Amino acid sequence: AQSVTQLDSQVPVFEEAPVELRCNYSSSVSVYLFWYVQYPNQGLQLLLKYLSGSTLVKGINGFEAEFNKSQTSFHLRKPSVHISDTAEYFCAVTSPFSGGYNKLIFGAGTRLAVHP
Amino acid sequence: DTGVSQNPRHKITKRGQNVTFRCDPISEHNRLYWYRQTLGQGPEFLTYFQNEAQLEKSRLLSDRFSAERPKGSFSTLEIQRTEQGDSAMYLCASSLAGGPQPQHFGDGTRLSIL
Repeated sequence: AQSVTQLDSQVPVFEEAPVELRCNYSSSVSVYLFWYVQYPNQGLQLLLKYLSGSTLVKGINGFEAEFNKSQTSFHLRKPSVHISDTAEYFCAVTSPFSGGYNKLIFGAGTRLAVHP
Repeated sequence: DTGVSQNPRHKITKRGQNVTFRCDPISEHNRLYWYRQTLGQGPEFLTYFQNEAQLEKSRLLSDRFSAERPKGSFSTLEIQRTEQGDSAMYLCASSLAGGPQPQHFGDGTRLSIL
């Protein structure tokens, strides 16, 4: 069975500082990985995805993530955060063996709080 | 791209009542998903449709829950005899078929059971 662990439930950071949100996954088969962002009282918005190819993927709003197969990690980074990045961030995994990409398995989320 | 639309946005009801939520996916998407998100947790998969066929249901989906997608377009999720534990955000997502397509989420329906 697949699982996702987001290692930090909350990450406080000052505006314009760099940030890393950590995600580890558990799977015995090949996986596809996603990061989503959720603003208060809204649904989830896709930030970026790793399907294959380059292990460094770039997403929207200046975010990027690096897939590390040996460490089963997919950490999200941004070199300089803004107040508007304050939100909940979710890491998710799927695989062709979970019934054909039919469901995402999510982590519990990391709350990013950007302070002025 | 009008996005995934969910109605209502909020629903408050008394324990024991029935509730129904509606999801309108992105028009060209033939896959539709329902998730449930409780406070402080990530979304949990409930069920999945490809066109009008319901192909997978989670064990979280008890007999009180039923989902339909009658014409392969919009979907409804009904909860009968609601319980306190049903209080959650119910999220709908849709995607294209074929491979690991990204799922696009609606803004959800927040259910509160009094």
